[in-house]
Amino acid sequence: NAGVTQTPKFQVLKTGQSMTLQCAQDMNHNSMYWYRQDPGMGLRLIYYSASEGTTDKGEVPNGYNVSRLNKREFSLRLESAAPSQTSVYFCASSEVFGSSGNTIYFGEGSWLTVV
Amino acid sequence: AQKVTQAQTEISVVEKEDVTLDCVYETRDTTYYLFWYKQPPSGELVFLIRRNSFDEQNEISGRYSWNFQKSTSSFNFTITASQVVDSAVYFCALRLGGTASKLTFGTGTRLQVTL
Repeated sequence: NAGVTQTPKFQVLKTGQSMTLQCAQDMNHNSMYWYRQDPGMGLRLIYYSASEGTTDKGEVPNGYNVSRLNKREFSLRLESAAPSQTSVYFCASSEVFGSSGNTIYFGEGSWLTVV
Repeated sequence: AQKVTQAQTEISVVEKEDVTLDCVYETRDTTYYLFWYKQPPSGELVFLIRRNSFDEQNEISGRYSWNFQKSTSSFNFTITASQVVDSAVYFCALRLGGTASKLTFGTGTRLQVTL
């Protein structure tokens, strides 16, 4: 069971560089999310996509863009990386209905360091 | 706005002790979902349990049990006879009903189980 797969797992960027975090889920979920995790702050929502073709800002969207490429894939782009974006990034997905309805499943995380 | 508070930042116990992780939530909505996730040292987020606001029945799964009390807005997690493998950060989270509503996390409780 692949579930939610995100790449890369580790990345070091220089300030000002750009990069895209890729995420794909194989659970046929409609909704997908990007969170960041920082020490002592739990997880905070960056962007989410309720369904294919829609995206919305979360709590901390500044400095990020997203693309819901299709139902399976949801990418997160840092256009000009800053040290404040050093964090662990988690992609997640969920569905409203069914036995697992409303449960959000997470990928394994991507460790990003901006120097 | 919803909020989740995990007042215990870090707990240390000796193996085989019982330990309870506290979670207090705030929301004005009547339909919501409560979750516990485990984050082991390897970093992934593992879903443990989901409870909806209409179901106050407590649940037991092996050494894990959860006590949901709407009267005190609490959703506490007890590990019986703790083991070293239980060492992890545990997050409580709240999600409102509705499509793609965000998951609000507490700041987590780090549990250290030693021999």
